[in-house]
Amino acid sequence: QSALTQPASVSGSPGQSITISCTGSSSDIGAYNFVSWYQQHPGNAPRLVIYDVGNRPSGVSDRFFGSKSGNTASLTIYGLQPEDEADYYCSSYTPRNTLYVFGSGTRVTVL
Amino acid sequence: QVQLMESGGGVVQPGRSLRVSCAASGFIFSDFGMHWVRQAPGTGLEWVALISYDGSDKYYADSVRGRFTISRDNSKNTLFLQMDSLGAEDTAVYFCARGFANSIIDYWGQGTLVSVSS
Repeated sequence: QSALTQPASVSGSPGQSITISCTGSSSDIGAYNFVSWYQQHPGNAPRLVIYDVGNRPSGVSDRFFGSKSGNTASLTIYGLQPEDEADYYCSSYTPRNTLYVFGSGTRVTVL
Repeated sequence: QVQLMESGGGVVQPGRSLRVSCAASGFIFSDFGMHWVRQAPGTGLEWVALISYDGSDKYYADSVRGRFTISRDNSKNTLFLQMDSLGAEDTAVYFCARGFANSIIDYWGQGTLVSVSS
């Protein structure tokens, strides 16, 4: 099963909003509301920031917003801050296929 | 707090075997499914394997099925990944991670680097 498709990079200035897309298929993102997003700073472990499309774990800023339309999920970061500069990965739980598939990753740069 | 600490990585020759471990603390280990996820240098994440809370069910990515074996020792709060017939394509940082409610991977360790090279 192919990785989910994300843009390689997205950038924005402090205070702006950015959106990262994650495109899958009717077998993964389109079939289930089991999309998660992870933030990974260089050299660190991934950190869960969104689960089940639009839910935030405790401790995650409400500037992070997840949504889904058809086969595409999106992560929007409002009020971009320097500490948001990192790699972001989407994933989809697909119980009838490979179980878990990750996106190709997006490097977010704060200008 | 939830802590996951991997160990056992290193350099191994192609075709050989290696076992990596993950020591868990800060939660009731035997209540949660556990995952291995890997990340090749400079690339993205790839899910490798999942074991159920009691070890009765195991799932693998197609790329490792038949070569890798996931297991756990709930008495020692430890997760394992036995890797056989290793190839250069298996070179990666291997993360252990906690599963939640089937669909979520919530906490991750810092990873251990496995390098397959002659």
